[in-house]
Amino acid sequence: QVQLVESGGGVVQPGRSLRLSCAASGFAFSTYGMHWVRQAPGKGLEWVALISDDANDRYYADSVKGRFTISRDNSKSTVSLEMNGLGPEDTALYYCVKSQSVVAGSYDSWGRGTLVIVSS
Amino acid sequence: DIQMTQSPSTLSASVGDRVTISCRASQSITDWLAWYQQRPGEPPKLLIYRASRLEGGVPFRFSGSGSGTEFTLTISNLQPDDFATYYCQHYIGSPITFGQGTRLDIK
Repeated sequence: QVQLVESGGGVVQPGRSLRLSCAASGFAFSTYGMHWVRQAPGKGLEWVALISDDANDRYYADSVKGRFTISRDNSKSTVSLEMNGLGPEDTALYYCVKSQSVVAGSYDSWGRGTLVIVSS
Repeated sequence: DIQMTQSPSTLSASVGDRVTISCRASQSITDWLAWYQQRPGEPPKLLIYRASRLEGGVPFRFSGSGSGTEFTLTISNLQPDDFATYYCQHYIGSPITFGQGTRLDIK
């Protein structure tokens, strides 16, 4: 059974950094693209970033480009999101999601999310 | 960037009804479209991928159709568990975008 468990969320001051992690299990991690999707309180879903199965391709939403970095460790079945220069607009529940393909794809598995609150 | 527009934003229906949610893409995405259901306090759940393919374990009362720029999610014989928010999403390439969501309420 696929499991995705996020960690690393919390309350952080504007301008500071945070690193989110996602531990995956129950599937051949190194053969699927992995994404981060966020949801601000009471709002809709926003795609944040993706990393291909082999980490050679990485894409970001314009809203986070230059501030966030996605990475993965296939030996440990983990994917991370380094977030710098955080602002109040980054306050959201961050989901780790598994793509159905090696890069982009529909999301057949979601974690339960880790909450990031950017506030002074 | 490809914009995804859902309609309606909210929809009221009764148990046993048949409802339709529309999703329009600002340019052709062929059939690279997915539909998700999200219940309060839960992560989204994949219902439909490639516009019309039912994800395993999803009841057959859910169906998807369309291609190009116009897509539809149909739910037949509404059940109490179906009252939730629904999102469409394209994944033809980056940036991936979601529709704004359609909340399905009990009438």
